[in-house]
Amino acid sequence: QSALTQPPSASGSPGQSVTISCTGTSSDVGGHNHVSWYQQHPRKAPKVMIYEVNKRPSGVPDRFSGSKSGNTASLTVSGLQAEDEADYYCSSYAGNNNLVFGGGTKLTVL
Amino acid sequence: QVQLQESGPGLVKPSETLSLTCTVSGASTSDYYWSWIRQPPGKGLEWIGYIYSSEGAHYNPSLKSRATISEDTSKNQISLKLSSVTAADTAVYYCARDHWERITNGWKYYGMDVWGQGTTVTVSS
Repeated sequence: QSALTQPPSASGSPGQSVTISCTGTSSDVGGHNHVSWYQQHPRKAPKVMIYEVNKRPSGVPDRFSGSKSGNTASLTVSGLQAEDEADYYCSSYAGNNNLVFGGGTKLTVL
Repeated sequence: QVQLQESGPGLVKPSETLSLTCTVSGASTSDYYWSWIRQPPGKGLEWIGYIYSSEGAHYNPSLKSRATISEDTSKNQISLKLSSVTAADTAVYYCARDHWERITNGWKYYGMDVWGQGTTVTVSS
């Protein structure tokens, strides 16, 4: 199975919005709603920010939102804050008891 | 509060078997799916596989049968063995609760909602 495709980097100024894409195939992103997004700060374990395409776990700010169209899922961070600077990874169920991650996107808050 | 703690040797020789343990507190290992994930230095996350007590384990096909995940319910632990390691297996290894919930018309997936702190494994002679 191939990794999901994410842009290596994204950036925005404080207060702005930024969207990170995650492109897969009809076997993973396009075929299931089991898409998750993770935030990882340096030397820390990842943290789930979005599950089931667009649902936020308790405690995750509503500045984080998710969506999906066809084989591409997206994470939007609105009202960027300094603490949002981190690596972001998408993940999708890929059928046959397989999971796949994206390559990761480094988000820089300018 | 569910907590996970990985443990195991930090250095493994090439061609040998890497063995790691994830100790779970605050939940029973038999009630959830548990995944192993790794992250090579400076690179992204790679799913290794998961286990669910009543179903057994499933693996990333790219690991070509080198990985074995098992459960010890008496100790509430999940284990990972990775055979025939090379330098490419050098990584931070994480265990995580993979939160699947059966619902009326299928499954709901909450994602990997609890992670251990990770343990660094270096493959070198």
